[in-house]
Amino acid sequence: KNQVEQSPQSLIILEGKNCTLQCNYTVSPFSNLRWYKQDTGRGPVSLTIMTFSENTKSNGRYTATLDADTKQSSLHITASQLSDSASYICVVSARTNAGKSTFGDGTTLTVKP
Amino acid sequence: NAGVTQTPKFRVLKTGQSMTLLCAQDMNHEYMYWYRQDPGMGLRLIHYSVGEGTTAKGEVPDGYNVSRLKKQNFLLGLESAAPSQTSVYFCASRDGTFSEQYFGPGTRLTVT
Repeated sequence: KNQVEQSPQSLIILEGKNCTLQCNYTVSPFSNLRWYKQDTGRGPVSLTIMTFSENTKSNGRYTATLDADTKQSSLHITASQLSDSASYICVVSARTNAGKSTFGDGTTLTVKP
Repeated sequence: NAGVTQTPKFRVLKTGQSMTLLCAQDMNHEYMYWYRQDPGMGLRLIHYSVGEGTTAKGEVPDGYNVSRLKKQNFLLGLESAAPSQTSVYFCASRDGTFSEQYFGPGTRLTVT
């Protein structure tokens, strides 16, 4: 069964600090991995996407890494801001299943002043 | 360009009532999806469509029906609502199998 596990479940950091979120997956055959940001009461918005051949992708202060061999990904947030407070969701797609994706439960990040 | 819109934003139903949630996208996307999101859980796929006139079951389809009569619209129906269907429902669309999914703002449904 395809699964995506994220850790930690929740995280509190001070404004300006860095943090790293983790994602482990067992989706096969692997197609791509995306990180989404979901603000409270809103739909998820894509931050990064990585395919099998990519091992790092940046989007401003967000940097995602992918190790396809160990089936792990991380999302690093640099110099956090209050607006980074949100749920971060790891989503993995297989090369089959008509584009269906497996979603992690998300990591809830709270940035405090 | 509105992207993905959902109607209504909020709804309260009594057990046994029926309703239809509407999802509309103006990006000419082929693929459309309906998800539900429960507190502390990831999004779970209810039904999806790979093109106009086609639908398929996802991970948690029981109690729901869908229709894709027009390419831009994807309707989710609850024939007889149950308290277990209290959730936030998200619609999404994408251009191709491996492209980004664009999500709507969600519909918060409460069944009492």
